[in-house]
Amino acid sequence: DQQVKQNSPSLSVQEGRISILNCDYTNSMFDYFLWYKKYPAEGPTFLISISSIKDKNEDGRFTVFLNKSAKHLSLHIVPSQPGDSAVYFCAASVSAQKLVFGQGTRLTINP
Amino acid sequence: NAGVTQTPKFQVLKTGQSMTLQCAQDMNHNSMYWYRQDPGMGLRLIYYSASEGTTDKGEVPNGYNVSRLNKREFSLRLESAAPSQTSVYFCASRDSGGYNEQFFGPGTRLTVL
Repeated sequence: DQQVKQNSPSLSVQEGRISILNCDYTNSMFDYFLWYKKYPAEGPTFLISISSIKDKNEDGRFTVFLNKSAKHLSLHIVPSQPGDSAVYFCAASVSAQKLVFGQGTRLTINP
Repeated sequence: NAGVTQTPKFQVLKTGQSMTLQCAQDMNHNSMYWYRQDPGMGLRLIYYSASEGTTDKGEVPNGYNVSRLNKREFSLRLESAAPSQTSVYFCASRDSGGYNEQFFGPGTRLTVL
């Protein structure tokens, strides 16, 4: 069973607008959530994280929201830039040791 | 600092051949990981090593073995490659002892014919 799901394989957004990427999870024991960004032919790079004791974390243009009751995580990118075009993976863990990844969402920012 | 390095970048094997994927990190991290990425499936954990001298199975360990050679190096071995092991393999490391992120290498693209 897929414990972490990203139900949108792709998302297209106009430059300057907000990008919202979504992620759902089933394991209520997860206490640490992360977003990674991946360009073609490169490894994933860490973007932003949030622990289960918080419901929001911001870092510049990136904000992650956590809704524990709905078991839902989202990443907001404002404003979106062409360099944000990549595949985004959400990941979850118990005590940060082992990560469980979603399938990824390919974000395309159009000029 | 090079971060996490992986060799080789590309490899083509025939069914039944063996090979070892190498991974090294220069960040003095305790924990190291091996993942595989397949289309539409995200990254799946094959094996991990929480600290030097220990290894544990992840989600998809069948057909693989690992060796934590020292604190810096963590290798993944395919003893008898199968077409189902065609994938992109990523190594990662993490500074344990808190809520720290994993750092990934650039990946090895493996094709088994």
